[in-house]
Amino acid sequence: GAGVSQSPRYKVAKRGQDVALRCDPISGHVSLFWYQQALGQGPEFLTYFQNEAQLDKSGLPSDRFFAERPEGSVSTLKIQRTQQEDSAVYLCASSLGVHFTGELFFGEGSRLTVL
Amino acid sequence: AQKITQTQPGMFVQEKEAVTLDCTYDTSDQSYGLFWYKQPSSGEMIFLIYQGSYDEQNATEGRYSLNFQKARKSANLVISASQLGDSAMYFCAMRASGGYQKVTFGIGTKLQVIP
Repeated sequence: GAGVSQSPRYKVAKRGQDVALRCDPISGHVSLFWYQQALGQGPEFLTYFQNEAQLDKSGLPSDRFFAERPEGSVSTLKIQRTQQEDSAVYLCASSLGVHFTGELFFGEGSRLTVL
Repeated sequence: AQKITQTQPGMFVQEKEAVTLDCTYDTSDQSYGLFWYKQPSSGEMIFLIYQGSYDEQNATEGRYSLNFQKARKSANLVISASQLGDSAMYFCAMRASGGYQKVTFGIGTKLQVIP
């Protein structure tokens, strides 16, 4: 597709449920990032993939969060046993290369509400 | 470690006037890129402008310009001739050459353009 696509756009989960959020980056983009954005805050880094390799997962808040990008394109962010504090918008971004000059292209985000 | 500081939670500007949004950063890397993104109420992150650490001239993109002062570690965004459609959250971000080049965002500034 022309841009970064995320699904679902909105997800309501009961506390304790597992959720999976999907990101389809721009075709050919090597770098893929996941960010968490709480209401009124800036995006907080979660994890970074270079092709299929997860090179940085230092931002994942707990072992309930897991991300994968098995074929170097589509990525999935999974949250197990969701808690209320997981409520946020999850943003996916991709960039063509790995150089620091490369801008990030963002999807529209997946808004997760945990009841 | 990288850090972005945006000290203006909210700003008002009269339509057609210019406004400056402040951003300071901290990094130990010698090579890095600085970005500004706009996030309207609809939620998507829109890339506005990029400045490289070795660029000698300040970046400009249409009505946007970046006032880059390397010694002071500041990268302020200047929007000229403000329009009502400029009302949004604005985020300063940095991507450094060290580590895995994750992009770090500031907390954002909410800009409101007054007719």
